[in-house]
Amino acid sequence: QVQLVQSGSELKKPGASVKISCKASGYTITSYAMNWVRQAPGQGLEWMGWINTNTGNPTYAQGFTGRFVFSLDTSVSTAYLQISSLKAEDTAVYYCARVRAEAVTTEYYYYYMDVWGKGTTVTVSS
Amino acid sequence: QSVLTQPPSVSGAPGQRVTISCTGSSSNIGAGYDVHWYQQLPGTAPKVLIYGNSNRPSGVPDRFSGSKSGTSASLAITGLQAEDEADYYCQSYDSSLSGWVFGGGTKLTVL
Repeated sequence: QVQLVQSGSELKKPGASVKISCKASGYTITSYAMNWVRQAPGQGLEWMGWINTNTGNPTYAQGFTGRFVFSLDTSVSTAYLQISSLKAEDTAVYYCARVRAEAVTTEYYYYYMDVWGKGTTVTVSS
Repeated sequence: QSVLTQPPSVSGAPGQRVTISCTGSSSNIGAGYDVHWYQQLPGTAPKVLIYGNSNRPSGVPDRFSGSKSGTSASLAITGLQAEDEADYYCQSYDSSLSGWVFGGGTKLTVL
């Protein structure tokens, strides 16, 4: 079945880096864009940006530039999120989510997140 | 402060109808961008509930419905069930931010 399998929880010290993986199965990863979404403890969902899985070109939301890097390895059907210079406020659950483009007409599509990973918890603490 | 505004909480008794509003502006919902709704059950990942303003993915009960008008959208849930207790998020696109945006989320409590 179609699923996104994310890597396990991480405990990191401030200033360290972390790389989260999101492996796509049941479909071809290059057929759908991939979003990344953050959820801080007790907070709502926050869109971090997306990666074009055909070109590997990332787009970052405001507030997620500089320390955040989206990447891709299509040979293993896996998307990655790397966060460097970790801060306590990076403590959150990070989700990858597939972007579905559903055709309404030949020129108009609905774009929404139809498959989500279970999330990766990153805890930053000294 | 979220770009899309949702009530922090709503509640209803089993069998009742509740609605959750999502208020945006002229740079997102009011500009014609579509609204999608996600349900997040406790301790789980979100799942799409309504896409394209009013469409239900297969497997989502018809007790859930969505609508959009002007700068707002709404999610309605009829015949409330205990299993509907969850957080609900609206999501759209914002041209000023050039990106996707979420509402702050609404916690639904089934009394």
